[in-house]
Amino acid sequence: DVKVTQSSRYLVKRTGEKVFLECVQDMDHENMFWYRQDPGLGLRLIYFSYDVKMKEKGDIPEGYSVSREKKERFSLILESASTNQTSMYLCASSLGSADRVFSYNSPLHFGNGTRLTVT
Amino acid sequence: AQKVTQAQTEISVVEKEDVTLDCVYETRDTTYYLFWYKQPPSGELVFLIRRNSFDEQNEISGRYSWNFQKSTSSFNFTITASQVVDSAVYFCALSEAVSAGGTSYGKLTFGQGTILTVHP
Repeated sequence: DVKVTQSSRYLVKRTGEKVFLECVQDMDHENMFWYRQDPGLGLRLIYFSYDVKMKEKGDIPEGYSVSREKKERFSLILESASTNQTSMYLCASSLGSADRVFSYNSPLHFGNGTRLTVT
Repeated sequence: AQKVTQAQTEISVVEKEDVTLDCVYETRDTTYYLFWYKQPPSGELVFLIRRNSFDEQNEISGRYSWNFQKSTSSFNFTITASQVVDSAVYFCALSEAVSAGGTSYGKLTFGQGTILTVHP
């Protein structure tokens, strides 16, 4: 089974702090994603990465950056945390492929989430 | 732009009742995939089912069944004889293929989620 592990279940940070959320997957997946989940809004894609050192903006990248130095690890960085970034953050991974059809029917495997509170 | 709507924010049922979770989607793609995920209180989203746009055959898996109707752009999920363990948030999602750096990935657009509570 794919295992996606997020380093923290709960985090409390102060406004202006730099925050690192870590995610590790153990199935050699090419694609990794960061989503945030907010009530009434579902999951929204922040960033994703399709390869080491590669990244693409999702739908709501403002205020965030990411790092993927190793294939198994994908970090989400809040450069200067703000209260509107209080949310549940979910990391996910999936198989990548040059085959277009295969790639977009490959299900995402999610971690347990990190609930971040910025005060 | 793709859109997924789950109009039911919360549903509450008593154990053994049947319950249907609605999902309506919008896309201009002719080829797409639809997914349902379950998020139990532990927080981890669990993949339940995937359906491609060319396969309108309904699917049944134990107490779960899915009704895909392309004509109404709907992909509804029914739980028969619900149990307390079915209590969770359920998300419907629509996948589009996006190319980046020589590869492709499935970008999922999620609905808002439906909170299902099954009371004993």
